[in-house]
Amino acid sequence: DAGVIQSPRHEVTEMGQEVTLRCKPISGHNSLFWYRQTMMRGLELLIYFNNNVPIDDSGMPEDRFSAKMPNASFSTLKIQPSEPRDSAVYFCASSLDENQPQHFGDGTRLSIL
Amino acid sequence: EDQVTQSPEALRLQEGESSSLNCSYTVSGLRGLFWYRQDPGKGPEFLFTLYSAGEEKEKERLKATLTKKESFLHITAPKPEDSATYLCAVGRGSTLGRLYFGRGTQLTVWP
Repeated sequence: DAGVIQSPRHEVTEMGQEVTLRCKPISGHNSLFWYRQTMMRGLELLIYFNNNVPIDDSGMPEDRFSAKMPNASFSTLKIQPSEPRDSAVYFCASSLDENQPQHFGDGTRLSIL
Repeated sequence: EDQVTQSPEALRLQEGESSSLNCSYTVSGLRGLFWYRQDPGKGPEFLFTLYSAGEEKEKERLKATLTKKESFLHITAPKPEDSATYLCAVGRGSTLGRLYFGRGTQLTVWP
């Protein structure tokens, strides 16, 4: 079975550029999560969706970050404009519902120069 | 402030040397506690969910237990392939959508 698929796996871009991260959840899963992992802060939830609707976005750091889920099989996390402090590994996870275990993709390693 | 603390930060074991990893939490209204394994360059892989004090779950060489203040991940006779970072996460309140992760224990098992 296909797991959570994220793209790209690596992204290197210059400060000020727009960055778009993509996620395809496991088919049949109704909840989708975006996380950020850094050495300083560990793994932190940014936002999660239930049935394509954002439920908790309290972890989104600021207005430069936005996330969408236009349908059940696709989500994006966008950073505009990007800053060096946004450099991190971004993970997407999905679950059958918000009370079931979350299954993670292999992440996007983002470097902002 | 809610807090999840894992100890030790790093642990080196010889193959076959059993040990335990600790996850202590101060969240109020615990709804569930999760253990994950993370290999370098990969996303966390789900291992266990525990919901109430006294509960235990087992999988191969791993056994997770839960008390009112902490959880332990016991590793019996570990093998080199058990080397990874082990993360615990807690959820509270009405749903398990928002999880609070600990910083992890980096386990190395040498032959």
